[in-house]
Amino acid sequence: GDSVTQMEGPVTLSEEAFLTINCTYTATGYPSLFWYVQYPGEGLQLLLKATKADDKGSNKGFEATYRKETTSFHLEKGSVQVSDSAVYFCALSRFSGGYNKLIFGAGTRLAVHP
Amino acid sequence: DAGITQSPRYKITETGRQVTLMCHQTWSHSYMFWYRQDLGHGLRLIYYSAAADITDKGEVPDGYVVSRSKTENFPLTLESATRSQTSVYFCASSEPGTFSGANVLTFGAGSRLTVL
Repeated sequence: GDSVTQMEGPVTLSEEAFLTINCTYTATGYPSLFWYVQYPGEGLQLLLKATKADDKGSNKGFEATYRKETTSFHLEKGSVQVSDSAVYFCALSRFSGGYNKLIFGAGTRLAVHP
Repeated sequence: DAGITQSPRYKITETGRQVTLMCHQTWSHSYMFWYRQDLGHGLRLIYYSAAADITDKGEVPDGYVVSRSKTENFPLTLESATRSQTSVYFCASSEPGTFSGANVLTFGAGSRLTVL
């Protein structure tokens, strides 16, 4: 079945460091791929998405490229801030039973220190 | 304000008690979902609903009951709570699915449930 694997955390970085959070997926066909972010005490919110191979999603300085050849959707940011501290979830979505079924990775906690 | 409201935000209960978590959305989304979030598992789907009076099981439905008499409300009931149901529960909503799978879910702030 479909699955998402992302790197275990926590990831601890200093402010202005480069961030990469790895995400790989297993799926048949062509799912859409997402990164959701969960700030402390809040629900998940969409960070970015990509719907087909080679698409790049971007938002708030974060980027991820849909790589079908490596079944990956790694999240990157060139210079992290303390306010980026959160849990990041990679997810895939496919149409099934009339709705878009989301499969989440386990989440990666990011802690950014001044 | 448009959004999803979950209540209560925090709940402590005892094994065997009935607990209901409420979810109310003002987006007029047809689809609503309940997920549980556990360390190391990410989010797992418990139940979903396509419209009023239409519900279906997700990945981990055992021990839970849902109803949807009105489009905007989707309560989740634990009929006899167990310790393994200690978790953070998230309600979400969306428009109907598309073949691209590109629909975005909107999440509530979560309900943290502890079963003693």
